[in-house]
This record gives sequence, C-alpha cells and structure tokens, in this order.
Amino acid sequence: DTAVSQTPKYLVTQMGNDKSIKCEQNLGHDTMYWYKQDSKKFLKIMFSYNNKELIINETVPNRFSPKSPDKAHLNLHINSLELGDSAVYFCASSPHSDSPLHFGNGTRLTVT
Amino acid sequence: DQQVKQNSPSLSVQEGRISILNCDYTNSMFDYFLWYKKYPAEGPTFLISISSIKDKNEDGRFTVFLNKSAKHLSLHIVPSQPGDSAVYFCAASHRSGTYKYIFGTGTRLKVLA
Repeated sequence: DTAVSQTPKYLVTQMGNDKSIKCEQNLGHDTMYWYKQDSKKFLKIMFSYNNKELIINETVPNRFSPKSPDKAHLNLHINSLELGDSAVYFCASSPHSDSPLHFGNGTRLTVT
Repeated sequence: DQQVKQNSPSLSVQEGRISILNCDYTNSMFDYFLWYKKYPAEGPTFLISISSIKDKNEDGRFTVFLNKSAKHLSLHIVPSQPGDSAVYFCAASHRSGTYKYIFGTGTRLKVLA
C-alpha cells in the first residue's frame, strides 16, 4: 500500500490553464507538505498544513492555492499556469516536526 | 541563499568500497539533519538522521557524522553496493515547530560493479 499517493503522475498542459494535483496519506500523520523540485534539482518547500491549518507559506505566488479538506488530504490548485511552473511537485507528510518526511512519488508538471 | 549545500553533484565508487557524501550548512540554528535517497521517478525515501546532540549515528551500512563547529555532515556507506546507486539529499531543520526542512541539491552516487 502506498503511504503517500499523489495524482496524476504526469500532467501536461498549456499556459493559462488551471490544474490541480491531489495528495492523500494513509499514515495518520498530522502534517502535510508540498515541495517543488525545479530544473536545477532544488527541493523547495511551498506549503505545510498541520491538522488542516496552514503553517508554512513560502512566498509562493498566489496562483498556487493549497486546500486541505481533512488531515489525510492536501491538494494543490494552480491557476493561470506559466512556463516557469514546470517542475516536479512532491507531496509529503510527517507525524510531527522532528520526524522524517514521507514523500509521494511526485507529479511531473509540464507547461507548454 | 542556499542554506544547505551539497557541492559534489556526482560521485562514482567501486562496489565494496566506501562512499562518502558530504553536506554543508550555513544556519547555526539547524539542529536536526537527515539523509534521503531518491531513485528515478520516485519520491525521496528517508535513510538516516542525526540530531545536534550527537556527532555520529549508525544504521547498518550507513553512518552519518556531524561536525557542528564546521557546519558539516557526511554520510558513509560501507560497503557500497550497486543498489545504492541513487541521488542522495541531505536536509536540515530547526526544531522550533515550524515543520520546515531545507534540502540540498543532491549528489548522484553511482556504484560500479
């Protein structure tokens, strides 16, 4: 069973479109994250939610909006997609702050 | 400003020998460090961690060393195996409850059979 699952695995879309990436974890963790890995391979945190409450928002454009309907789910909605949004987006979860993150397998977003 | 740096983008090691991956950090507030391993088309998987109260942590073939004064940590893999070929990321955080991990850019390890 996949502990952190994200869908879709690949997403190809045109500039200006709106798209969503979904993430679910079955580990019972309280905290979920979105990380972005860009073309230079930097893994940068975007958002973190703890028990459905936003606790980290790392100067991400407001075209990106996370939504956590419950503590097992953290979705990422992106409006007006731009070429620079092309990257691999990783969802992760952890039980608490000093615990390792458990990552999903990533969503490769390509904006053309 | 990259607070966690892995200056070697790649490393090749012969099977059975030791692999040493290095990581430097700039933020003296970091007190918890982790290593992750990543295969292509998969997410990073946790390997080993160390808190700043220790200078060494060992788990099987993997040992992490922390030198706080030098703001440097390293991961030793002994003996290296072909299945260890992957990208290795170090990460650091400050246990302030901010739930924020900062990652390095990774080192691609290739273990030659």
